[in-house]
Amino acid sequence: AQKITQTQPGMFVQEKEAVTLDCTYDTSDPSYGLFWYKQPSSGEMIFLIYQGSYDQQNATEGRYSLNFQKARKSANLVISASQLGDSAMYFCAMREGPGTYKYIFGTGTRLKVLA
Amino acid sequence: DARVTQTPRDKVTEMGQEVTMRCQPILGHNTVFWYRQTMMQGLELLAYFRNRAPLDDSGMPKDRFSAEMPDATLATLKIQPSEPRDSAVYFCASGTTSGSSYNEQFFGPGTRLTVL
Repeated sequence: AQKITQTQPGMFVQEKEAVTLDCTYDTSDPSYGLFWYKQPSSGEMIFLIYQGSYDQQNATEGRYSLNFQKARKSANLVISASQLGDSAMYFCAMREGPGTYKYIFGTGTRLKVLA
Repeated sequence: DARVTQTPRDKVTEMGQEVTMRCQPILGHNTVFWYRQTMMQGLELLAYFRNRAPLDDSGMPKDRFSAEMPDATLATLKIQPSEPRDSAVYFCASGTTSGSSYNEQFFGPGTRLTVL
């Protein structure tokens, strides 16, 4: 069963504006970790941000923040002040635990930042 | 700046040939993952090792794929014989895993495989 859902195959945002990329997940485990990765056209996968299921506050890393709504099982990525270099594929991922070390990835959202 | 390295970066081969991809994880990481990425299937987990022991290879076609970790600095993914449907980008990733913490994975640059 699909456990990570990214419903937006593609998104556009104007440079300098904020954008939210959606991610919902499904798990019955109370302990898990949520991750976002960026894949630019060069192909590399770059780790952006992490949120633990027991973390009380939403994670932030520079211009990236994670809007974590546990009851709704959503972990949306917010990019503030978009830059042209933010154009890329973005993947949401989850690791359930502590019994497994597998990471499950969503299908990704392609973001295009417009000048 | 520690990085996961993968070789080769690009590989073009003919159907039926053996392909070996290599990965050097980041020193000190105890978990190594192999993924395959295609347009149709997205990012698929093929296999992963923890402390060099294979924990899960359920994502791999068993008849032609094999993954090994002969030592802590080298992981290999072998396809024999290769088929055109194996054409994809193969990523290796490494990380530090424990039961109660959730650390990020660090990905290598990938091997782009084309089987003609």
